[in-house]
Amino acid sequence: GQQLNQSPQSMFIQEGEDVSMNCTSSSIFNTWLWYKQDPGEGPVLLIALYKAGELTSNGRLTAQFGITRKDSFLNISASIPSDVGIYFCAGQVSQGGSEKLVFGKGTKLTVNP
Amino acid sequence: DVKVTQSSRYLVKRTGEKVFLECVQDMDHENMFWYRQDPGLGLRLIYFSYDVKMKEKGDIPEGYSVSREKKERFSLILESASTNQTSMYLCASSWRLAGTPYEQYFGPGTRLTVT
Repeated sequence: GQQLNQSPQSMFIQEGEDVSMNCTSSSIFNTWLWYKQDPGEGPVLLIALYKAGELTSNGRLTAQFGITRKDSFLNISASIPSDVGIYFCAGQVSQGGSEKLVFGKGTKLTVNP
Repeated sequence: DVKVTQSSRYLVKRTGEKVFLECVQDMDHENMFWYRQDPGLGLRLIYFSYDVKMKEKGDIPEGYSVSREKKERFSLILESASTNQTSMYLCASSWRLAGTPYEQYFGPGTRLTVT
């Protein structure tokens, strides 16, 4: 089945630094989503990308849908302590007439004040 | 705002018990999903439902069943809990056809411990 390779697995940065993480796959996806999960909570949707090449921002977050439709990246600018958490990418697949998401294993972000 | 609620945040059960995890969404979403999340394994789909009384197996359905009697409610059932079902369980919902069908919205999760 489809798999997403998300990297890096973890990042330790200083407050104020920019962050970049990405997801790649050998499969084509029609939609890419980025989620953030705080400890002990459910994932929260940050950005949804629907078209190849699309670049979308949400505050300090920017995500792009790769032109080949096999990858996506997420950038966070000027990181702050509340950016701490696990960031997941997800790609949408159609399977048997149903829409499902395939998730990356996450990037754990630590921000030192 | 989409609201997905789960009946318990923390649950401790004994091996062999029947366990019910409840999920309710208030957005009239057609699709509902159950995932489990384990360190190093990410989110894995257990079951999903795209309509009342409809259900589809996900990637790891063994040992689980589901029930969807009403559109807003999706229940996950562990028929006979085992220690390897200790995990974080996440419910999600999304539109099916209208709106943004691929955007899944998650509940806060239930951390289940089976002893």
